[in-house]
Amino acid sequence: GQQLNQSPQSMFIQEGEDVSMNCTSSSIFNTWLWYKQDPGEGPVLLIALYKAGELTSNGRLTAQFGITRKDSFLNISASIPSDVGIYFCAGLQGAQKLVFGQGTRLTINP
Amino acid sequence: GAVVSQHPSRVICKSGTSVKIECRSLDFQATTMFWYRQFPKKSLMLMATSNEGSKATYEQGVEKDKFLINHASLTLSTLTVTSAHPEDSSFYICSARDQGLAGVGPFTDTQYFGPGTRLTVL
Repeated sequence: GQQLNQSPQSMFIQEGEDVSMNCTSSSIFNTWLWYKQDPGEGPVLLIALYKAGELTSNGRLTAQFGITRKDSFLNISASIPSDVGIYFCAGLQGAQKLVFGQGTRLTINP
Repeated sequence: GAVVSQHPSRVICKSGTSVKIECRSLDFQATTMFWYRQFPKKSLMLMATSNEGSKATYEQGVEKDKFLINHASLTLSTLTVTSAHPEDSSFYICSARDQGLAGVGPFTDTQYFGPGTRLTVL
């Protein structure tokens, strides 16, 4: 099925560094969502974006909904060990179903 | 954020038995819930869309007679894996759609996920 192109697939960084990941699509989405998933757990919603161009922050996390509605990025500033996990972007079109990116696995070296 | 619970969190069963997994939205009403399956190190794969009071909509390749879905109330959907076999072993996750209350508060349309159920079929 349709899937968003999420990159990078994995990141290995030092604690304190900033992180940036993005998702792109050939289709337009009405809503972009960013989730974080820890091993053995369900995804947890981080940020929801509803308007093209919208820039939203949640603590050290910042995400933007691309102006063309075909892309979004997520930034994490000053990473800490608990940021480790897999981050998924997800897009929602007119229908109810979410389309997911492949995920970005974040590993932090202390 | 909104809370979605799943029960049980993990289950081990014998081949040929049926297993029921519950998904509940605890602090909001969800007319629509979704059931996903996730393989190790992979993204979530949508199995079916569960609509309160009507039949579920299954994704292509998902057997509706094997994965029975019931959405009898605005806060509860169940997935029953019938005649389970080892290849059904997986991590099953539900989500519930939160559209807020019409005319109340800012616009919202998102999905909150449950913590998942690890199914192992021996």
